[in-house]
Parts: sequence; C-alpha cells; structure tokens
Amino acid sequence: DIQMTQSPSTLSASIGDRVTITCRASQTINSWLAWYQQKPGKAPKFLIYRASRLESGVPSRFNGSGSGTEFTLTISSLQPDDFATYYCQHYNSYSGTFGQGTKVEIK
Amino acid sequence: QITLKESGPTLVKPTQTLTLTCTFSGFSLSVSGVGVGWIRQPPGKALEWLAHIYWDDDRRYSPSLKSRLTITKDTPKNQVVLTVTNTDPVDTATYYCAHIRAAAGFFDFWGQGTLVTVSS
Repeated sequence: DIQMTQSPSTLSASIGDRVTITCRASQTINSWLAWYQQKPGKAPKFLIYRASRLESGVPSRFNGSGSGTEFTLTISSLQPDDFATYYCQHYNSYSGTFGQGTKVEIK
Repeated sequence: QITLKESGPTLVKPTQTLTLTCTFSGFSLSVSGVGVGWIRQPPGKALEWLAHIYWDDDRRYSPSLKSRLTITKDTPKNQVVLTVTNTDPVDTATYYCAHIRAAAGFFDFWGQGTLVTVSS
C-alpha cells in the first residue's frame, strides 16, 4: 500500500505569512494528489486535484505543486479563514489514501 | 447542486453490524463516471478512506478493512449503503460519504458526517 506522510504535523503562523505544507508518497503517484481543508466540527473542503489544479471557487492564494513522490501546498498570504487542518490524498480509481494532516494554527 | 447526507445509528455495541446510509441529490449513480465514497475520522485523528462504489457497480475497499466492509448502491433511491461488521470501539468515528468526480477517486462534495460510537 502507498503511504502518505505530511510535514509538519503542526505549523504556527501569522496573518500574511507564506505557508508551505509537504506531502510525501512512499512510491511514485505521478500527479494523483488532492488537497483538502478541514475546520473543527466540519466536513473537509476540496481544494486541489491533480497536484496543482485549483478547484473552482478556491482562492488563488492556494497553490499546489509537485509530482512523483513529493508535493507541496502553499498559501501565499495566510488569511484568518485559512486556520484549519489540511490533508493530502493520493487517489485513483481503486483507492484513496490520506495523509495524517497538518494543523495550521495562529502564532 | 450536489448534496449528500449520512444517516444511521449513533451508538452500536461491540461485535454488532453497523449500517450507514448516504442519501444524495444533484447527481445520479446511473451516469457514467459517477461514484460515491465513504471516509471516516476517529475523534481527533486523521481521515481514513474506507470504500467507494461507481456507476457500473465497481466496488473498492480499504485493504485493511476489506473483510469487514460492504458497499452497495440503490440507484433509483439515490442511496449508497455501507455496512461494517464485527464492530469494535476503535470503529468509533465520524463517518462521511462523498461524491467522486469522473471516476477519478477524489472527493469534491462531502456530507456533513455522522458520529458513530461503538460501546457496550
């Protein structure tokens, strides 16, 4: 099975900061990677697919990149609404493995 | 507008079978490429993919839980059902169902989730 590892587990940042979250796959997954945002008590929100394709309606300050085994989610200028936990997911037609999550908290 | 909603018991006893229903609107499982998946999240922990089913009745399961899971669909009723057999307290979690876009495997619309507690 492919394992997805995110780092860091927790990230403390201030409004306006540039924030980067890393997601590593245990073997190559090409660009079959999605990112989600989850706030406490809420369902995850879909942000990005194919590693870098922004879902409609997602602010352009979110950017995904990478391919193969290493991927990043960057928030160019952190906004109050962005404090949340972020998950990466390797997906294909057969499975959907999530990373363990990265909590972005207020510094 | 795509919406999904999970329903089922809030409390089950260990060893019992848990049956959860996802009722959705805004799409049909009779359309090529469409799928629905189940994901769970134990309190304070990460998301865990469980299973998904596609329009053509193709079903996929998490390898670690495959022996205990069954996913089925009722296309006319716009429902997908997940059963989890032989439950254990570690199955305590919020269970989500979600829409899969174009047979890709990622989840673009999610239900609100339902918390299930496994306890005697």
